[in-house]
Amino acid sequence: DVKVTQSSRYLVKRTGEKVFLECVQDMDHENMFWYRQDPGLGLRLIYFSYDVKMKEKGDIPEGYSVSREKKERFSLILESASTNQTSMYLCASSLRTGVNSPLHFGNGTRLTVT
Amino acid sequence: GNSVTQMEGPVTLSEEAFLTINCTYTATGYPSLFWYVQYPGEGLQLLLKATKADDKGSNKGFEATYRKETTSFHLEKGSVQVSDSAVYFCALSDQGTGNQFYFGTGTSLTVIP
Repeated sequence: DVKVTQSSRYLVKRTGEKVFLECVQDMDHENMFWYRQDPGLGLRLIYFSYDVKMKEKGDIPEGYSVSREKKERFSLILESASTNQTSMYLCASSLRTGVNSPLHFGNGTRLTVT
Repeated sequence: GNSVTQMEGPVTLSEEAFLTINCTYTATGYPSLFWYVQYPGEGLQLLLKATKADDKGSNKGFEATYRKETTSFHLEKGSVQVSDSAVYFCALSDQGTGNQFYFGTGTSLTVIP
């Protein structure tokens, strides 16, 4: 079974802090994704990556950046956290582009910015 | 463009009732369709999928049929249990857009004994 591990289940940070959310997958998947989930808005794609050192903006990239130095690890960075970034953050991976492979999700990180 | 629309919740059912959660989609290419389930405090788990028209996905008593003519992928279960209480998401993946996923907003289901 694919395992996607997010380093923290809960985080509380202050406004202006730099925040790192880490995600690791163990199945050699090429694609990795970061979503945020908010009530009534569903899942919104922040950034995704199809390969090491590659990144693509999703629907709501403002205020975020990402890093993918190794295939198994995809980090989401909040350069200067703000209260409107309080949310549930979900990392996901999929095998590769061009096949109908599903997304596999981690358990999420609930971030509160005060 | 690609999008998914699913019925608004919340849905509350008695145990052993029949469940339908409607999902319709728009897509520019030939998408694959998925249902995911999210239990409280957890991430999303794949429930079932269908990759082409008329395919039926099924798992744990849930099923959904890929209907190209009506652009629908409705989720059904004949007899729900309390343990089915969760949020259900319909999604599509389109190879034409690099296998990006498009999700509905989710439907919360509560099953009462």
